Amino acid sequence: EVVLTQSPATLSLSPGERATLSCRASQSVGSYLAWYQQTPGQAPRLLIYDASNRATGIPARFSGSGSGTDFTLTISSLEPEDFAVYYCQQRSNWPGTFGGGTKVEIK
Amino acid sequence: EVQLVESGGGLVQPGGSLRLSCAASGFTVSSNYMSWVRQAPGKGLQWVSIIYSGGSTYYGDSVKGRFTISRDNSKNTLHLQMNSLRAEDTAVYYCAREVYFGSGWYFDCWGQGTLVTVSS
Repeated sequence: EVVLTQSPATLSLSPGERATLSCRASQSVGSYLAWYQQTPGQAPRLLIYDASNRATGIPARFSGSGSGTDFTLTISSLEPEDFAVYYCQQRSNWPGTFGGGTKVEIK
Repeated sequence: EVQLVESGGGLVQPGGSLRLSCAASGFTVSSNYMSWVRQAPGKGLQWVSIIYSGGSTYYGDSVKGRFTISRDNSKNTLHLQMNSLRAEDTAVYYCAREVYFGSGWYFDCWGQGTLVTVSS
């Protein structure tokens, strides 16, 4: 099973600041990596697929990069609605696994 | 509009059983890859089970032999039969649809979740 390690666990930032989230895989997953956003009490929402492609309706301030074992989600300028928990997920092989999440909180 | 609505969660004693349902609208369950993903209180996401459009099913090691995923094509509904429940199965259970984006399969639609609590 591929283990995904996300860092940091918590990111304390102010609106307008840049957020950089990391996801590291225990073995190569190619580019088969997604990022999801989850706000309290809500289901996850797909943000990024194939490591760097924005899903439909996702604002341009969200961007993803990386391949193999190291991936990054960047939020260029935080909006109030972006304070949430972010999960990476690999679908390279079964079972598809999720990272432990990074909480982006208001500083 | 594509929508998933789960039901069937609740409080159950250890060793008990529960059947979750996920009613879909706006698309056909049997033509898609459908999964159950759970989230223990305050924890991350864990893939539980998947049923492919062809009918093949797979389970995570922690639920293999205890849970069964199925679908009712006439009602366009996904099910998860959970037997021999343990305290560690306590979680919000989401059903989710996987679709092919770019060069891989990803979850594009999730239900609102149903809470399963296993406790005496």
